[in-house]
Amino acid sequence: AQTVTQSQPEMSVQEAETVTLSCTYDTSESDYYLFWYKQPPSRQMILVIRQEAYKQQNATENRFSVNFQKAAKSFSLKISDSQLGDAAMYFCAIHPGPPGTSGSRLTFGEGTQLTVNP
Amino acid sequence: NAGVMQNPRHLVRRRGQEARLRCSPMKGHSHVYWYRQLPEEGLKFMVYLQKENIIDESGMPKERFSAEFPKEGPSILRIQQVVRGDSAAYFCASSPTGSGNTIYFGEGSWLTVV
Repeated sequence: AQTVTQSQPEMSVQEAETVTLSCTYDTSESDYYLFWYKQPPSRQMILVIRQEAYKQQNATENRFSVNFQKAAKSFSLKISDSQLGDAAMYFCAIHPGPPGTSGSRLTFGEGTQLTVNP
Repeated sequence: NAGVMQNPRHLVRRRGQEARLRCSPMKGHSHVYWYRQLPEEGLKFMVYLQKENIIDESGMPKERFSAEFPKEGPSILRIQQVVRGDSAAYFCASSPTGSGNTIYFGEGSWLTVV
């Protein structure tokens, strides 16, 4: 079984500043994938970034990057140059093994509500 | 390439009625997942299907809930005799065949039971 913990129910950041959202997880799997999804007020679930556990290099997507600490089971999301459109609920999720394989499921954290102040 | 399509986006049902939620996966995707999001909570896995097969339904309530993904047509999540506690957002997601792929979500269907 997998668990995901997001210890920050709410975070705020000034526009153009940098913010880091925390996520810790627990799994008995040796191979797994980690994701950050964004849920804006429209409520759609939008993939922000993903990280394969076997890769040591931290994933980066434009202004979004992760700090993946496998030994500590930590997977934080850094948003640089924050924009008003980044305001949303952010969910951390873990998937045992590669998505699309049998036994597939995502386990989500409870989310962090990010406010971006102008 | 259209994304994961869900309908209806919003559905209101009276207690005891049936709710049917439909999901068309992205083109080329053969794996479909249903998740439920209760108010102020994260998404919880319900069921994972491939064409004509239920692979994992361990997250779905044993009674009143069923899901299918027929050979032709969309995946259907069916809730019989709805109760107020069924009010939630129901998200469908899909992924292609093969390992290492990302799961993409639809925009969700909001069920309100009155």
